[in-house]
Amino acid sequence: QKEVEQDPGPLSVPEGAIVSLNCTYSNSAFQYFMWYRQYSRKGPELLMYTYSSGNKEDGRFTAQVDKSSKYISLFIRDSQPSDSATYLCASSTIQGAQKLVFGQGTRLTINP
Amino acid sequence: DSGVTQTPKHLITATGQRVTLRCSPRSGDLSVYWYQQSLDQGLQFLIQYYNGEERAKGNILERFSAQQFPDLHSELNLSSLELGDSALYFCASSVSGATGNTIYFGEGSWLTVV
Repeated sequence: QKEVEQDPGPLSVPEGAIVSLNCTYSNSAFQYFMWYRQYSRKGPELLMYTYSSGNKEDGRFTAQVDKSSKYISLFIRDSQPSDSATYLCASSTIQGAQKLVFGQGTRLTINP
Repeated sequence: DSGVTQTPKHLITATGQRVTLRCSPRSGDLSVYWYQQSLDQGLQFLIQYYNGEERAKGNILERFSAQQFPDLHSELNLSSLELGDSALYFCASSVSGATGNTIYFGEGSWLTVV
């Protein structure tokens, strides 16, 4: 079993829709949770960074972490075609804070 | 552009061969990371260096080795290559290896082993 599980999709939604992307994890020691966006043939870029449980909002993006259920979510409001990419969740422990464990990535397409 | 530079962008080589991938971190970043991305395994942490010293190790094969030089650039050496080593290899960097630092990824080196 992978430490971080993510549905690879693909996920296709119309422009303007609210997108919900989710991951589950198994390592209770994970304290840091991140979402990366990766365009085709490019490196991942950090979107959201959360420590422990709670919500974090940045523009159209909201990250949620529920440590009790080991569930990580990313919501995208008013989705745009430019949001079409692969979204990867990642987690790490405090000690291994730079040793990120990634989910498989969800391929998202926003249709105009 | 993240500021992390990787060369070469694409590489095709035969089984049994050895290749070297090169990474220049962002200006001022002391920590360098190497990740491997393949279709079946996803993005996996290989190794981290901080200011020339190995800091953390992940699922890096014994056939693979890395180092970080005094000018902070890093090289990942892959030897006795197998078909399964075909993947996208990413270098990333951060200011330090400390908790909370943002990690910036390069655009990757695409390795194909034939």
